[in-house]
Amino acid sequence: EPEVTQTPSHQVTQMGQEVILRCVPISNHLYFYWYRQILGQKVEFLVSFYNNEISEKSEIFDDQFSVERPDGSNFTLKIRSTKLEDSAMYFCASSLNTYEQFFGPGTRLTVL
Amino acid sequence: KQEVTQIPAALSVPEGENLVLNCSFTDSAIYNLQWFRQDPGKGLTSLLLIQSSQREQTSGRLNASLDKSSGRSTLYIAASQPGDSATYLCAVITNTGNQFYFGTGTSLTVIP
Repeated sequence: EPEVTQTPSHQVTQMGQEVILRCVPISNHLYFYWYRQILGQKVEFLVSFYNNEISEKSEIFDDQFSVERPDGSNFTLKIRSTKLEDSAMYFCASSLNTYEQFFGPGTRLTVL
Repeated sequence: KQEVTQIPAALSVPEGENLVLNCSFTDSAIYNLQWFRQDPGKGLTSLLLIQSSQREQTSGRLNASLDKSSGRSTLYIAASQPGDSATYLCAVITNTGNQFYFGTGTSLTVIP
């Protein structure tokens, strides 16, 4: 069964460094999303992406964040200058339409 | 802004018991509601999706109901097993967007 994959599973970085989190959505899906979950808190929406542009973003998704679909298969989330509070689990999701989203296993980001 | 609440926050039951998890949301103009399972440190596994026009969905020992007008959903788990131990998350998508709003989850422990 097709699934969303994410790499790496765990990323450790120093504060101020740039990180890129990678996702491979399900191949025929058209909508792509990033969510994050700070330890012990709710899963929060960051951004949605459709037709090669951001369709919706939350107030969390500030200028430090960017997303890209560099080729036909990958979907990336870049954090330009990481802060301690960026430590969280980051989930990628994809959907064929806006009907049902399928989530990846997540990348745990630890900022030291 | 849509707010999703789940009660109880934690639940511990003996194996074999039937149980109900509750989810409430403040904006009844939802597109769909989805129940997820999350194991510690892991990703989100979709359990059931209910479209706004539906009243319930069933999968095996799981049954989810939706009362959109009152802003409530329940997840019924029959004949609970230790393997059901996990955190159960409820999430809604509103008609105005395609982002999920998640609840904080119910942490379920099934005691053998």
